[in-house]
Amino acid sequence: DIQLTQSPSALSASVGDRVTITCRASQNINTWVAWYQQKPGKAPKLLIYTASTLQSGVPSRFSASGSGTDFTLTISSLQPDDFATYYCQQYDTDYTFGQGTKLEI
Amino acid sequence: QVQFVQSGAEVKKPGASVKISCKASGYPFNEYAVIWIRQAPGQSLEWLGWINAGNGYTKYSQKFRGRVAVTTDTSATTAYMELNRLTSEDSAVYYCARERRGGYLDYWGQGTLVSVSS
Repeated sequence: DIQLTQSPSALSASVGDRVTITCRASQNINTWVAWYQQKPGKAPKLLIYTASTLQSGVPSRFSASGSGTDFTLTISSLQPDDFATYYCQQYDTDYTFGQGTKLEI
Repeated sequence: QVQFVQSGAEVKKPGASVKISCKASGYPFNEYAVIWIRQAPGQSLEWLGWINAGNGYTKYSQKFRGRVAVTTDTSATTAYMELNRLTSEDSAVYYCARERRGGYLDYWGQGTLVSVSS
């Protein structure tokens, strides 16, 4: 199975900060990566697919990059609504998710 | 708009089975696959099974193969996930989601809480 390791597991930041979350795959997954945001008690919400394509309706302060084994999600200027848990997902071979990054104020 | 509405919370005894439904609307049901994902309390996300709603082809996570079955009723635009031989480790929120272009998930159900306890 392909493993995804996110770092950090938790991150404290302030409104207006720029933050970056990393996702590392245990093998080459090309650009078959998606990123999701999840708030407590809610289903995950798709932010990014194919490593860097912004899902329709997602604010442009979210961006992502990477290929192969290393991927990043960046939020350019944190807004109050962005405090949540973020997951990466690979879909190169079956589906696996990272362990999550909790973004806290 | 695309929407998935899942069935309500379930409480089961160890060894029992659970079957969850996922009613889809707002898109041509037969043209997409549906995937089932679960999330144990405080944990990450884990996939269980996948079904092509157009032809009924299924695939399952190795971890759950033989214990899970995903089906669809295309006339009712509804997907189902049945998990057998439940243990306390199966206590989780179960989600259905629509798969796009080989793997990312653009719409999700609201989740169904399954609690397994003696």
